Amino acid sequence: NAGVTQTPKFQVLKTGQSMTLQCAQDMNHNSMYWYRQDPGMGLRLIYYSASEGTTDKGEVPNGYNVSRLNKREFSLRLESAAPSQTSVYFCASIPGQGSYEQYFGPGTRLTVT
Amino acid sequence: SQKIEQNSEALNIQEGKTATLTCNYTNYSPAYLQWYRQDPGRGPVFLLLIRENEKEKRKERLKVTFDTTLKQSLFHITASQPADSATYLCAPPIYNQGGKLIFGQGTELSVKP
Repeated sequence: NAGVTQTPKFQVLKTGQSMTLQCAQDMNHNSMYWYRQDPGMGLRLIYYSASEGTTDKGEVPNGYNVSRLNKREFSLRLESAAPSQTSVYFCASIPGQGSYEQYFGPGTRLTVT
Repeated sequence: SQKIEQNSEALNIQEGKTATLTCNYTNYSPAYLQWYRQDPGRGPVFLLLIRENEKEKRKERLKVTFDTTLKQSLFHITASQPADSATYLCAPPIYNQGGKLIFGQGTELSVKP
């Protein structure tokens, strides 16, 4: 099992450019999450998907969109990147059915100039 | 609103000693609380989950307590080793909404040989 994988590992964008961060899990988990982590701010939830076909906003959704493509994949899109979106982005999944421990991917370090 | 507080100052201890990290929460009563370890440049890794009806939980050299009266969880690492050096995050659920978590900022632990 690869667990949770994320691509790319690093990305530099110019202000206004768009990109999609990819996340996939091979553990047959129902729920998936996108977080951003900034120094001094901790992990903050951007969007989540409780199950295939559903998505909901988290604490900081502005400037982002998501797609739960199938049970395995949950992508995060920045339509028009801003310097404030410079951060490390983590994807996570949970087994569900009473098991709430989160399994995290390795992260994507994004810099917007 | 919910608030999670962890010691923002780094904790430096000598190898072999017990490390104790604190997590305080306010304005609600979580049904459970999780602890994660995060190494630099990596995603968080789940360590332990403790439920509100459990006073204490152990896993090898790790021990977590949950005091619902004090609204506090303590995380202990006994016989600490330099390999335990990392940032430790506490994470109760958001308003008890299943798998959605709110993360503390984390406490950095450094164990010196």
